[in-house]
Amino acid sequence: SAVISQKPSRDICQRGTSLTIQCQVDSQVTMMFWYRQQPGQSLTLIATANQGSEATYESGFVIDKFPISRPNLTFSTLTVSNMSPEDSSIYLCSVSSRQSTDTQYFGPGTRLTVL
Amino acid sequence: QQPVQSPQAVILREGEDAVINCSSSKALYSVHWYRQKHGEAPVFLMILLKGGEQKGHEKISASFNEKKQQSSLYLTASQLSYSGTYFCGTGPPSSYGKLTFGQGTILTVHP
Repeated sequence: SAVISQKPSRDICQRGTSLTIQCQVDSQVTMMFWYRQQPGQSLTLIATANQGSEATYESGFVIDKFPISRPNLTFSTLTVSNMSPEDSSIYLCSVSSRQSTDTQYFGPGTRLTVL
Repeated sequence: QQPVQSPQAVILREGEDAVINCSSSKALYSVHWYRQKHGEAPVFLMILLKGGEQKGHEKISASFNEKKQQSSLYLTASQLSYSGTYFCGTGPPSSYGKLTFGQGTILTVHP
């Protein structure tokens, strides 16, 4: 399975600021995704990070708030913009590869607290 | 649409069995099961792609009934290490990871 790392692992930010989260995979993968998990809740898909093109966002999530980049097949970033306390969550990237028949692996997550 | 898991929580003693169900109001094409321990990332357990297929992983197995639009996860002779929150995720054909997760089932195993 792929080894996924995320930076930072946690951060405490002030309201109105932005934070960029990095996701690095040790091998090339077909798909990369960003999920949000609010405290005690399930995982909610934010967007699919497309290599070389704009990300595909799920209902309720917009590019201005969560800009995403994916410059190559092993790296992606998610920015949480103009943060408010409601953005306090764990943000997880996940990867999937056609060679692994849809199996999806999650990174360790970034725990974000907004004051 | 989010799949529905039941029960919401279950408490077991070591060695006991448990069943966690995942139901959808929409047709299921694949069901993915994950376990998440507190403060950690979800860990992949298994994926079921065909109707009626049952898969196993040590003492954890699962079934997938396309007609009933339901999947069940079976944990037999539970161990302390089984404690955690179990999520099912469902996806359209060739979703390659684009999943909708259930609300989770909290499993606690006591000595």
